[in-house]
Amino acid sequence: DTAVSQTPKYLVTQMGNDKSIKCEQNLGHDTMYWYKQDSKKFLKIMFSYNNKELIINETVPNRFSPKSPDKAHLNLHINSLELGDSAVYFCASSQDMTPGQKLFFGSGTQLSVL
Amino acid sequence: DQQVKQNSPSLSVQEGRISILNCDYTNSMFDYFLWYKKYPAEGPTFLISISSIKDKNEDGRFTVFLNKSAKHLSLHIVPSQPGDSAVYFCAASATSGTYKYIFGTGTRLKVLA
Repeated sequence: DTAVSQTPKYLVTQMGNDKSIKCEQNLGHDTMYWYKQDSKKFLKIMFSYNNKELIINETVPNRFSPKSPDKAHLNLHINSLELGDSAVYFCASSQDMTPGQKLFFGSGTQLSVL
Repeated sequence: DQQVKQNSPSLSVQEGRISILNCDYTNSMFDYFLWYKKYPAEGPTFLISISSIKDKNEDGRFTVFLNKSAKHLSLHIVPSQPGDSAVYFCAASATSGTYKYIFGTGTRLKVLA
């Protein structure tokens, strides 16, 4: 049983389209995240939610909108996709926001914008 | 400005020998450090952590050393095994301020049989 699962694993789409990536965790964690790994392999945080409340919103274009219907789910919707959005997007969760909590990652969604 | 740096993009080590992966950071407020291991087409998985109140933490074949004055940490794997071949990321966070981990760019370790 996968702890943090995200779908789809691969997403190929045209510029200008809108797409969503879904994430679910079955660990009973309170906190969920979206990370982006770009072509230079930097893993950068985009958003974090704690008990469905937005905690971290890095300088991400507002074309990216996270949605947390409940604390086990954190979906990422991207409007008007651009070439520069091509990257691997990782969902992650942690027990809570106590310092030092380890992150559990999903297997990633490889987004290719053509 | 990259606050966490892994200056060696790759490392090759013979099976049975020691692997040493290095990580430097610039923010003196960082007080928790984690190492993650990543296989291709998978997400990073937690390996070992250390808080700034310690200078060493050991878990089986894996030991992490922290040198706060040098703002440097290292991961030692002894003995290295072919299954350890992966990309290793270090990550750091600060208790104060926004709770988030800053990741390095990773070091690809190849353990040769």
